[in-house]
Parts: sequence; structure tokens; C-alpha cells
Amino acid sequence: LAKTTQPISMDSYEGQEVNITCSHNNIATNDYITWYQQFPSQGPRFIIQGYKTKVTNEVASLFIPADRKSSTLSLPRVSLSDTAVYYCLVGDMDTGRRALTFGSGTRLQVQP
Amino acid sequence: EPEVTQTPSHQVTQMGQEVILRCVPISNHLYFYWYRQILGQKVEFLVSFYNNEISEKSEIFDDQFSVERPDGSNFTLKIRSTKLEDSAMYFCASSEALHQGAGDTQYFGPGTRLTVL
Repeated sequence: LAKTTQPISMDSYEGQEVNITCSHNNIATNDYITWYQQFPSQGPRFIIQGYKTKVTNEVASLFIPADRKSSTLSLPRVSLSDTAVYYCLVGDMDTGRRALTFGSGTRLQVQP
Repeated sequence: EPEVTQTPSHQVTQMGQEVILRCVPISNHLYFYWYRQILGQKVEFLVSFYNNEISEKSEIFDDQFSVERPDGSNFTLKIRSTKLEDSAMYFCASSEALHQGAGDTQYFGPGTRLTVL
């Protein structure tokens, strides 16, 4: 199981773009990268998932370089409601193992 | 938008008592999961359930825990004899099984806060 490393915390201001980078040096060929968000006292919420290059949805973008040893979650123009913990997860797509392994995540604090 | 629901939102129990936490997964989903999060700690996987049987379980999911899908909509987690260290937020999740492994997006419920006194 690939280990992930991400900053413990980040601070930003409303309206700014936030980039959270996750390193996963021993990512395997069949692994996908998934990001979840968790607000206090709530369950994690899926944000975005990708394998390589760039993925964009209505909430965020995910940038994955060619070597796939890291990934960057980009949140455009954050608001106070984006204050949450963001988790980077790496998991195998080709096995029956579906258990998600959460790390400590990155605690994003958005200020006015 | 369909969502996973959980009841109760907060359960207080005495050590040694049995508790049942209830979840209603999203209706067309086929995989069901339980996770827990002790206050201030990581979200931890407990068990996954598919086709009326356990698919995976972690070392946390010992003989004190059991899961059941008693009807077509509910999914329950039972803790037979609660301990102080079982105090945590318990999250139910479900997924469609459209993809293999980690590609299957899991949708989490709001959680049940279990307090064992």
C-alpha cells in the first residue's frame, strides 16, 4: 500500500487558489489517487480522482505529473466553507480491496 | 441527491452494553462499509459487506463486532459488549461497485457519535 505524505496544515484567504501537494513515492502501476474532504463532525466526502495528467470537475482540479510520485489538489477561489481536512489516498484499482486508508490529512483554514 | 443516512446521531451507553448502529445506504449501491474515527484521530476502516457477506475486515473488527443487512434497505453494525475505547464517531458508507478496488467512490453518511461511559 503506497504511503502518502501531505502537509499537516495550510492557511489561506477567501478568494485565493489553494494547492495541496501529496507525495506518494512508491505508488504502484495500478494505483489511483483520490482526494476526500472532511468537515468537523461529518463523514468524508469524495472530491476528485485521477490516474495521470490532469482531472477537473466542478469542485477542484487534480494535477499528476508523469512520474506519478506526487499529486496536487487545486481548489480555485476558496471560501470560508472550504475550511476542512483534505485527505490524499492511493489505492489499487485492480483488486477486490476497497478499504480506504486515511492518513492524517491536511487541515485547511480559510480566513476572511 | 441521494445520500447515506445514519441513526442515531448520538448514542450513549454503559460499558458492557450492546449497541446497534443503523445505516441506510444509497438505494442502488451494492457495497457497504463501516469506518470509525476516534476523536482527533484518523478515519479507520472496519469492514466492507457485499452480497450478504463480509468482503474485507480490519484487525479492529474482532468478535465483538458484527454487521447485518436485515432487510433491503438497512445495514447495521452491532457491538456486543462495548468498551470505553469504542467511543468514536462511526461512519457508514456505500458504493455502486461500478469499478474495481479503490476506483469505486464511497459515499459516507453523517456518522453516529458513540459515547461509552
